[in-house]
Amino acid sequence: EVQLVESGGGLVQPGGSLRLSCAASGFTFSRYWMHWVRQAPGKGLVWVSRISGDGSNISHADSVKGRFTISRDNAMNTLFLQMNSLRAEDTAVYYCTRDRMATVTPYNWFDPWGQGTLVTVSS
Amino acid sequence: DIQMTQSPSSVSASVGDRVTITCRASQGISSWLAWYQRKPGKAPKLLIYAASNLQSGVPSRFSGSGSGTDFTLTITSLQPEDFATYYCQQTNTFPLTFGGGTRVEIK
Repeated sequence: EVQLVESGGGLVQPGGSLRLSCAASGFTFSRYWMHWVRQAPGKGLVWVSRISGDGSNISHADSVKGRFTISRDNAMNTLFLQMNSLRAEDTAVYYCTRDRMATVTPYNWFDPWGQGTLVTVSS
Repeated sequence: DIQMTQSPSSVSASVGDRVTITCRASQGISSWLAWYQRKPGKAPKLLIYAASNLQSGVPSRFSGSGSGTDFTLTITSLQPEDFATYYCQQTNTFPLTFGGGTRVEIK
């Protein structure tokens, strides 16, 4: 069974840092593009970052560029999101998700998704 | 950024009803559109990709259509498990963007 399990969320003060992890299982992790998507309370879904299967190609949304870094450890089948200089507007549930198919060029259709981990930025 | 506008924002319907949700892109995106279903406390689920392709395991009562700027998600014969929020997503241009969601509620 394909499974994605996020961890690492919690309460952090503005300006602080947090590192999210996503443990993947049930598929050949290194063959897939992976993404982070977030949803703030009462708001819609927002794409955050993506990374290629070998980790060589990375993209971030402008709202997090320079503050967040996506990375992966294919030996450990784990995706990461390092979040620095956190702001109140970063408060959201963060989802780890996978490209639907294992392709060199991503299609950016997301399936499956993890259950999400809540990040709260507040003093 | 490409803006994705969904309508209606919410709809009340009964089991067995036909429900249609529309999604409009602020510029042409060909068929680079997906639809997702999200239930409270659950992870989002891919329903449709490339505007009209049904994801494996998704019931055939779900269908998608459209291209360019105007798209539709149709649920024929609404079932109790279909009450959820539905989102469209464009993947034509970065940044990837989602619609604001359509909540399907029980009438």
